Amino acid sequence: GAGVSQSPSNKVTEKGKDVELRCDPISGHTALYWYRQSLGQGLEFLIYFQGNSAPDKSGLPSDRFSAERTGGSVSTLTIQRTQQEDSAVYLCASSSPSGRANEQFFGPGTRLTVL
Amino acid sequence: GESVGLHLPTLSVQEGDNSIINCAYSNSASDYFIWYKQESGKGPQFIIDIRSNMDKRQGQRVTVLLNKTVKHLSLQIAATQPGDSAVYFCAENGAGGYNKLIFGAGTRLAVHP
Repeated sequence: GAGVSQSPSNKVTEKGKDVELRCDPISGHTALYWYRQSLGQGLEFLIYFQGNSAPDKSGLPSDRFSAERTGGSVSTLTIQRTQQEDSAVYLCASSSPSGRANEQFFGPGTRLTVL
Repeated sequence: GESVGLHLPTLSVQEGDNSIINCAYSNSASDYFIWYKQESGKGPQFIIDIRSNMDKRQGQRVTVLLNKTVKHLSLQIAATQPGDSAVYFCAENGAGGYNKLIFGAGTRLAVHP
């Protein structure tokens, strides 16, 4: 079956531009997560969606970052007025309530480079 | 995808040897721990998990040990193979239930023939 997919796989943008990153979770997974991974670093939690509940946005680093999840499926992470420090790999994961507690399935990531 | 972990601590082992990767976790309230494997250009992949009511759990060629007294977690890989070369992350759930994981910085495992 299909895993988590993300697009684009690579994105190069100029400082100050807005970018949108897309995540398609595994069908039927009610939970969706966004993480950021800078070079040589671990994963930094950004935001978590669970069903129709209000998302946990506690990891978003600034108000330039926002995310939506439409229809409980596809999610879009938007970064406005990008800065060079936003350059990182952005990973999306999803999990099923019927699976192992919090076994998150990750997508391949989107590599964002801000020039 | 992007190669990650260029400046991570590295464990180098010979093919066939056993590997032990260590992790110190931060939150005493954590009661669930996971090890993930991340190959170059890919997202992390679940390896094994353990709850705090256990101190050892075994999978296929992997064993996770948990020492709550010193907040230490280890991953043992038996008979390490070249395909085990990757970056390994431990994660804990903190005080946020089962849904918000806190990841460690990662360790690169390099397996030499």
